[in-house]
Amino acid sequence: NAGVTQTPKFQVLKTGQSMTLQCAQDMNHNSMYWYRQDPGMGLRLIYYSASEGTTDKGEVPNGYNVSRLNKREFSLRLESAAPSQTSVYFCASSTGTGNTDTQYFGPGTRLTVL
Amino acid sequence: AQSVAQPEDQVNVAEGNPLTVKCTYSVSGNPYLFWYVQYPNRGLQFLLKYITGDNLVKGSYGFEAEFNKSQTSFHLKKPSALVSDSALYFCAVRDGNSGNTPLVFGKGTRLSVIA
Repeated sequence: NAGVTQTPKFQVLKTGQSMTLQCAQDMNHNSMYWYRQDPGMGLRLIYYSASEGTTDKGEVPNGYNVSRLNKREFSLRLESAAPSQTSVYFCASSTGTGNTDTQYFGPGTRLTVL
Repeated sequence: AQSVAQPEDQVNVAEGNPLTVKCTYSVSGNPYLFWYVQYPNRGLQFLLKYITGDNLVKGSYGFEAEFNKSQTSFHLKKPSALVSDSALYFCAVRDGNSGNTPLVFGKGTRLSVIA
């Protein structure tokens, strides 16, 4: 049981390049989330998917798109990367069955945009 | 809207001493409160949560947290700190009346336990 996995672990992009961050979970969870972590800012929600087939914006969605490919997978796409998107990105999942849910996190992707 | 404040960016404690990491929250409904720990270059790990019931919640690695409704606080505690407890700690909240919405996190507190 791998839990939540993310690829790649590290990525360096040039301004304007695009890329997709991949996330998968094997816990049969309904809900999935993308956060970014910046020094002094804590974790901020980018997008989330309460269930397969639905996605919603979080606190900082600008510059990002998401796809809930199936129940297991939730990807985050940067269409035209900017230096302000340099961050550590975390994917998380939860059962989605109630408001007492615990979210479980992946190991993160460290992204640098030059 | 819900929010969490962690008033200390950094907490230093000597090994063997008790530790406290502070958290206060704001929600309009019932608070569901969580603590997570992040070790260097790792993801967040769940420590404990308060949903209802006993105000003192016990979690992983000997940590506990005390819910105080009148002070809107949920401080993380451990009776005797270990050097291996050095990490970044996050408090998070969900409004119990808002359905299954994402957790809202504080900015984190870095705990340093000195041998």
